[in-house]
Amino acid sequence: DAKTTQPNSMESNEEEPVHLPCNHSTISGTDYIHWYRQLPSQGPEYVIHGLTSNVNNRMASLAIAEDRKSSTLILHRATLRDAAVYYCILREIYNQGGKLIFGQGTELSVKP
Amino acid sequence: GAVVSQHPSWVICKSGTSVKIECRSLDFQATTMFWYRQFPKQSLMLMATSNEGSKATYEQGVEKDKFLINHASLTLSTLTVTSAHPEDSSFYICSASALRSGTGEQFFGPGTRLTVL
Repeated sequence: DAKTTQPNSMESNEEEPVHLPCNHSTISGTDYIHWYRQLPSQGPEYVIHGLTSNVNNRMASLAIAEDRKSSTLILHRATLRDAAVYYCILREIYNQGGKLIFGQGTELSVKP
Repeated sequence: GAVVSQHPSWVICKSGTSVKIECRSLDFQATTMFWYRQFPKQSLMLMATSNEGSKATYEQGVEKDKFLINHASLTLSTLTVTSAHPEDSSFYICSASALRSGTGEQFFGPGTRLTVL
């Protein structure tokens, strides 16, 4: 699986939008972009994933660059409960049941 | 969504003893389960892939004789840390892929914190 690059940490104010970037310049045409997050002392949880088009769900939005070399996870209104480490992971379409390789992720802190 | 449980949630043991951690998929069948280890302030490190009814596949550098994995059914995988030492103290997390999932989403357990004295 291709590698991703994320900032080590970001800060946000409560109730403001947060844009978490991820670079994946070596992404292949068959790689899905997955986002997971890990709250303190918990297992990770799935956030969202996409292939080419932007995606929305109840948790977040995923904006994917036209060349797919980068993507941005958008939390529309950050809450204190969104403070977590966010991981951007690439997974090959044919490896949908396979292992996830976690990078360092971005630690998001949310200020009241 | 699908639920994965782990038991125990935390355990303290003496050096040299063995500890078993259970991972269960509560409302779905999982042909494949994964075991991760996480040290403080670090990311998750994949230890092994566990397939129901077959031997686990270990990542490079993970001692298979020390970390015994058994995947006896479609809903249960166990990790046994044998002859545990203080350096094995860590947060152990399992995950599972649902057979029915078309997204490749993995469902993670809440983790087990192991402390070896």
